[in-house]
Amino acid sequence: QKEVEQNSGPLSVPEGAIASLNCTYSDRGSQSFFWYRQYSGKSPELIMSIYSNGDKEDGRFTAQLNKASQYVSLLIRDSQPSDSATYLCAVNGPSNTGKLIFGQGTTLQVKP
Amino acid sequence: SQTIHQWPATLVQPVGSPLSLECTVEGTSNPNLYWYRQAAGRGLQLLFYSVGIGQISSEVPQNLSASRPQDRQFILSSKKLLLSDSGFYLCAHGSRGRGTEAFFGQGTRLTVV
Repeated sequence: QKEVEQNSGPLSVPEGAIASLNCTYSDRGSQSFFWYRQYSGKSPELIMSIYSNGDKEDGRFTAQLNKASQYVSLLIRDSQPSDSATYLCAVNGPSNTGKLIFGQGTTLQVKP
Repeated sequence: SQTIHQWPATLVQPVGSPLSLECTVEGTSNPNLYWYRQAAGRGLQLLFYSVGIGQISSEVPQNLSASRPQDRQFILSSKKLLLSDSGFYLCAHGSRGRGTEAFFGQGTRLTVV
């Protein structure tokens, strides 16, 4: 079982729709969870961090965490063509080991 | 503010040649440092991470090694490159503690020919 799993996609949504990206992780002791966006040929950039169960909103982005189900999601409202990118889920291990593991990423295509 | 420098941006090396990629961080002390590799169309594979000078954790046994000679310097090396070493190499830094999100350098695209 992979430590962090994502559906590779591509996920295609029309402009203005809500995009929903999902991630599961295997280490029940994980404490910190992140979403990164990566444009083709570029390095990943951090867009959301979440540490507690529930929702965290930042502009058009909402991260959701359910530790009991070991599940993290990212919702993008009013999707724009500029949101087309690969979205990477990352999970930090327990006890500040420093280890940060990424999923394989989900490619999002927003069609005008 | 924190900045991370990684060079070169692109590199073409013959099989069997050595490799040295350097990464330096400014504006922070005692960072966690990471080396990742991304094959074409794939996710990020954690290669090495370091929580302090001389402290290196290796995630995947392979043809590479890492060193941290100074607090804010992280070096990725190989004595003899293989074709399978081609990829996008990314250095990242993170703060100690619970949050520990990572921030990436621009990356080095390595092609072994």
